[in-house]
Amino acid sequence: DGGITQSPKYLFRKEGQNVTLSCEQNLNHDAMYWYRQDPGQGLRLIYYSQIVNDFQKGDIAEGYSVSREKKESFPLTVTSAQKNPTAFYLCASSIGSAVTDTQYFGPGTRLTVL
Amino acid sequence: DAKTTQPTSMDCAEGRAANLPCNHSTISGNEYVYWYRQIHSQGPQYIIHGLKNNETNEMASLIITEDRKSSTLILPHATLRDTAVYYCIVRPRTLSNYKLTFGKGTLLTVNP
Repeated sequence: DGGITQSPKYLFRKEGQNVTLSCEQNLNHDAMYWYRQDPGQGLRLIYYSQIVNDFQKGDIAEGYSVSREKKESFPLTVTSAQKNPTAFYLCASSIGSAVTDTQYFGPGTRLTVL
Repeated sequence: DAKTTQPTSMDCAEGRAANLPCNHSTISGNEYVYWYRQIHSQGPQYIIHGLKNNETNEMASLIITEDRKSSTLILPHATLRDTAVYYCIVRPRTLSNYKLTFGKGTLLTVNP
Protein backbone atom coordinates (compact mmCIF):
# COMPACT_ATOMS: atom_id res chain seq x y z
CA ASP A 1 0.00 0.00 0.00
CA GLY A 2 1.80 3.12 -1.20
CA GLY A 3 1.71 6.40 0.59
CA ILE A 4 2.98 8.57 3.39
CA THR A 5 2.86 7.48 6.99
CA GLN A 6 3.25 9.64 10.06
CA SER A 7 3.52 8.34 13.54
CA PRO A 8 2.20 8.63 16.10
CA LYS A 9 -1.20 10.18 15.36
CA TYR A 10 -1.33 11.84 18.77
CA LEU A 11 1.67 12.81 20.88
CA PHE A 12 1.86 14.39 24.29
CA ARG A 13 5.02 15.85 25.80
CA LYS A 14 5.97 17.92 28.77
CA GLU A 15 7.24 21.42 28.25
CA GLY A 16 11.01 21.55 27.80
CA GLN A 17 11.33 18.12 26.20
CA ASN A 18 12.47 17.55 22.65
CA VAL A 19 10.24 15.29 20.55
CA THR A 20 10.75 13.67 17.15
CA LEU A 21 7.91 13.15 14.68
CA SER A 22 8.27 10.41 12.11
CA CYS A 23 7.50 10.67 8.39
CA GLU A 24 8.05 7.82 5.94
CA GLN A 25 7.07 7.53 2.28
CA ASN A 26 7.26 4.64 -0.18
CA LEU A 27 6.33 6.66 -3.26
CA ASN A 28 9.96 7.00 -4.39
CA HIS A 29 9.61 10.77 -4.13
CA ASP A 30 12.73 12.91 -3.97
CA ALA A 31 11.20 15.90 -2.17
CA MET A 32 9.70 15.96 1.31
CA TYR A 33 8.17 18.75 3.39
CA TRP A 34 7.03 19.57 6.90
CA TYR A 35 4.14 21.92 7.55
CA ARG A 36 2.48 23.10 10.71
CA GLN A 37 -1.24 23.87 11.05
CA ASP A 38 -2.82 25.77 13.91
CA PRO A 39 -6.58 25.75 14.59
CA GLY A 40 -8.54 27.57 11.89
CA GLN A 41 -5.36 28.48 10.04
CA GLY A 42 -3.65 27.51 6.82
CA LEU A 43 -0.46 25.48 6.58
CA ARG A 44 2.95 27.02 7.21
CA LEU A 45 6.14 25.48 5.84
CA ILE A 46 8.75 24.49 8.44
CA TYR A 47 11.43 22.67 6.43
CA TYR A 48 11.74 21.01 3.08
CA SER A 49 14.21 18.65 1.42
CA GLN A 50 14.59 18.20 -2.31
CA ILE A 51 17.18 15.45 -2.13
CA VAL A 52 18.86 13.14 0.36
CA ASN A 53 21.35 14.82 2.71
CA ASP A 54 20.06 18.29 1.85
CA PHE A 55 17.31 20.42 3.35
CA GLN A 56 16.29 24.07 3.59
CA LYS A 57 14.44 26.20 6.11
CA GLY A 58 10.91 27.21 5.38
CA ASP A 59 9.01 30.15 6.81
CA ILE A 60 8.96 29.06 10.47
CA ALA A 61 12.06 26.89 11.05
CA GLU A 62 13.06 28.35 14.42
CA GLY A 63 12.86 25.75 17.16
CA TYR A 64 12.76 22.81 14.74
CA SER A 65 15.38 20.54 13.21
CA VAL A 66 15.30 17.86 10.52
CA SER A 67 17.49 15.22 8.90
CA ARG A 68 17.31 13.48 5.54
CA GLU A 69 19.63 10.47 5.67
CA LYS A 70 17.36 8.26 3.59
CA LYS A 71 15.12 9.02 0.65
CA GLU A 72 12.13 7.47 2.40
CA SER A 73 12.43 9.25 5.72
CA PHE A 74 12.30 12.88 6.89
CA PRO A 75 11.97 13.10 10.68
CA LEU A 76 11.17 16.40 12.39
CA THR A 77 12.43 17.25 15.87
CA VAL A 78 10.52 19.83 17.85
CA THR A 79 13.00 21.27 20.30
CA SER A 80 12.46 23.00 23.60
CA ALA A 81 13.35 26.26 21.83
CA GLN A 82 10.04 26.20 19.95
CA LYS A 83 7.83 28.59 21.90
CA ASN A 84 4.42 27.28 20.83
CA PRO A 85 4.88 23.66 19.80
CA THR A 86 1.28 22.51 20.25
CA ALA A 87 -0.07 22.09 16.71
CA PHE A 88 -1.02 19.67 13.96
CA TYR A 89 2.09 18.65 12.00
CA LEU A 90 1.83 17.50 8.40
CA CYS A 91 4.42 15.82 6.26
CA ALA A 92 4.21 15.83 2.47
CA SER A 93 6.22 14.49 -0.43
CA SER A 94 6.46 15.11 -4.16
CA ILE A 95 8.40 13.84 -7.15
CA GLY A 96 10.54 16.95 -6.92
CA SER A 97 11.54 17.19 -10.53
CA ALA A 98 8.30 17.99 -12.32
CA VAL A 99 7.15 21.49 -13.17
CA THR A 100 3.68 20.62 -11.92
CA ASP A 101 5.01 19.05 -8.75
CA THR A 102 2.02 17.85 -6.76
CA GLN A 103 2.53 17.43 -3.04
CA TYR A 104 0.83 14.52 -1.30
CA PHE A 105 0.21 14.64 2.43
CA GLY A 106 0.37 12.19 5.27
CA PRO A 107 -2.35 11.83 7.91
CA GLY A 108 -0.64 14.21 10.35
CA THR A 109 0.55 14.11 13.95
CA ARG A 110 -1.21 16.18 16.58
CA LEU A 111 1.33 17.30 19.16
CA THR A 112 0.22 18.61 22.52
CA VAL A 113 2.76 20.04 24.92
CA LEU A 114 1.57 20.15 28.51
CA ASP B 1 2.08 34.19 -5.56
CA ALA B 2 -1.40 35.27 -6.62
CA LYS B 3 -3.97 35.44 -3.83
CA THR B 4 -7.22 33.53 -3.87
CA THR B 5 -10.66 34.38 -2.50
CA GLN B 6 -13.15 31.70 -1.55
CA PRO B 7 -16.49 31.78 0.29
CA THR B 8 -16.16 30.85 3.93
CA SER B 9 -18.80 28.13 3.79
CA MET B 10 -21.28 26.41 1.49
CA ASP B 11 -23.99 23.79 1.83
CA CYS B 12 -24.97 21.10 -0.64
CA ALA B 13 -27.59 18.37 -0.64
CA GLU B 14 -26.37 14.80 -0.88
CA GLY B 15 -26.46 13.54 -4.46
CA ARG B 16 -26.44 17.01 -5.97
CA ALA B 17 -23.51 18.72 -7.64
CA ALA B 18 -21.33 20.90 -5.44
CA ASN B 19 -19.87 23.93 -7.20
CA LEU B 20 -17.08 25.65 -5.28
CA PRO B 21 -15.91 29.00 -6.64
CA CYS B 22 -12.50 30.58 -6.36
CA ASN B 23 -11.40 34.03 -7.41
CA HIS B 24 -7.76 34.55 -8.42
CA SER B 25 -7.91 37.80 -10.33
CA THR B 26 -4.16 38.51 -10.04
CA ILE B 27 -3.06 35.14 -11.45
CA SER B 28 -0.18 35.32 -13.88
CA GLY B 29 0.44 33.31 -17.00
CA ASN B 30 2.83 30.83 -15.39
CA GLU B 31 0.63 29.98 -12.41
CA TYR B 32 -1.40 26.81 -11.97
CA VAL B 33 -4.64 26.47 -10.01
CA TYR B 34 -4.61 23.60 -7.51
CA TRP B 35 -7.41 22.26 -5.35
CA TYR B 36 -6.96 20.30 -2.13
CA ARG B 37 -9.43 19.35 0.55
CA GLN B 38 -9.03 18.57 4.22
CA ILE B 39 -11.41 16.44 6.18
CA HIS B 40 -11.41 17.27 9.86
CA SER B 41 -8.20 16.17 11.62
CA GLN B 42 -6.74 14.57 8.51
CA GLY B 43 -4.00 15.59 6.10
CA PRO B 44 -4.94 17.60 2.98
CA GLN B 45 -5.92 15.51 -0.02
CA TYR B 46 -4.96 16.54 -3.55
CA ILE B 47 -7.98 16.81 -5.85
CA ILE B 48 -7.05 18.35 -9.19
CA HIS B 49 -5.03 21.09 -10.86
CA GLY B 50 -5.08 23.01 -14.14
CA LEU B 51 -3.47 25.80 -16.11
CA LYS B 52 -6.05 27.10 -18.57
CA ASN B 53 -8.01 24.16 -19.93
CA ASN B 54 -10.82 22.49 -18.05
CA GLU B 55 -9.74 19.31 -16.31
CA THR B 56 -11.58 16.25 -15.07
CA ASN B 57 -10.52 13.25 -13.02
CA GLU B 58 -12.24 10.58 -10.97
CA MET B 59 -12.84 12.97 -8.09
CA ALA B 60 -13.89 16.26 -9.67
CA SER B 61 -13.93 18.69 -12.56
CA LEU B 62 -12.10 22.00 -12.69
CA ILE B 63 -13.52 24.79 -14.82
CA ILE B 64 -11.21 27.76 -15.39
CA THR B 65 -12.61 30.91 -17.01
CA GLU B 66 -11.09 32.06 -20.26
CA ASP B 67 -9.41 35.05 -18.60
CA ARG B 68 -8.15 32.69 -15.83
CA LYS B 69 -9.31 35.08 -13.12
CA SER B 70 -11.60 32.56 -11.50
CA SER B 71 -12.29 28.86 -11.36
CA THR B 72 -14.92 26.42 -10.10
CA LEU B 73 -14.40 23.01 -8.61
CA ILE B 74 -17.30 20.68 -9.32
CA LEU B 75 -18.08 17.56 -7.33
CA PRO B 76 -20.71 15.98 -9.59
CA HIS B 77 -22.58 13.89 -7.01
CA ALA B 78 -21.71 15.04 -3.50
CA THR B 79 -21.78 12.51 -0.67
CA LEU B 80 -21.61 12.98 3.08
CA ARG B 81 -17.94 11.99 2.92
CA ASP B 82 -17.24 15.07 0.79
CA THR B 83 -17.83 17.32 3.80
CA ALA B 84 -14.48 19.06 4.21
CA VAL B 85 -12.60 22.33 3.87
CA TYR B 86 -11.70 22.92 0.22
CA TYR B 87 -8.63 24.98 -0.63
CA CYS B 88 -7.95 26.74 -3.90
CA ILE B 89 -4.23 27.44 -4.36
CA VAL B 90 -2.30 29.25 -7.08
CA ARG B 91 1.26 28.07 -7.68
CA PRO B 92 3.94 29.25 -10.08
CA ARG B 93 4.94 26.83 -12.77
CA THR B 94 8.59 26.57 -11.73
CA LEU B 95 10.79 23.88 -10.28
CA SER B 96 11.97 26.21 -7.56
CA ASN B 97 8.52 26.72 -6.08
CA TYR B 98 8.32 24.47 -3.10
CA LYS B 99 5.66 25.97 -0.88
CA LEU B 100 1.93 25.49 -0.89
CA THR B 101 0.15 28.51 0.51
CA PHE B 102 -3.14 27.45 2.02
CA GLY B 103 -5.68 30.16 2.83
CA LYS B 104 -8.80 29.66 4.94
CA GLY B 105 -10.66 27.68 2.26
CA THR B 106 -14.37 26.89 1.96
CA LEU B 107 -16.09 24.61 4.43
CA LEU B 108 -18.43 22.48 2.34
CA THR B 109 -21.15 20.75 4.32
CA VAL B 110 -23.05 18.02 2.51
CA ASN B 111 -26.47 17.49 4.06
CA PRO B 112 -28.56 14.31 3.92
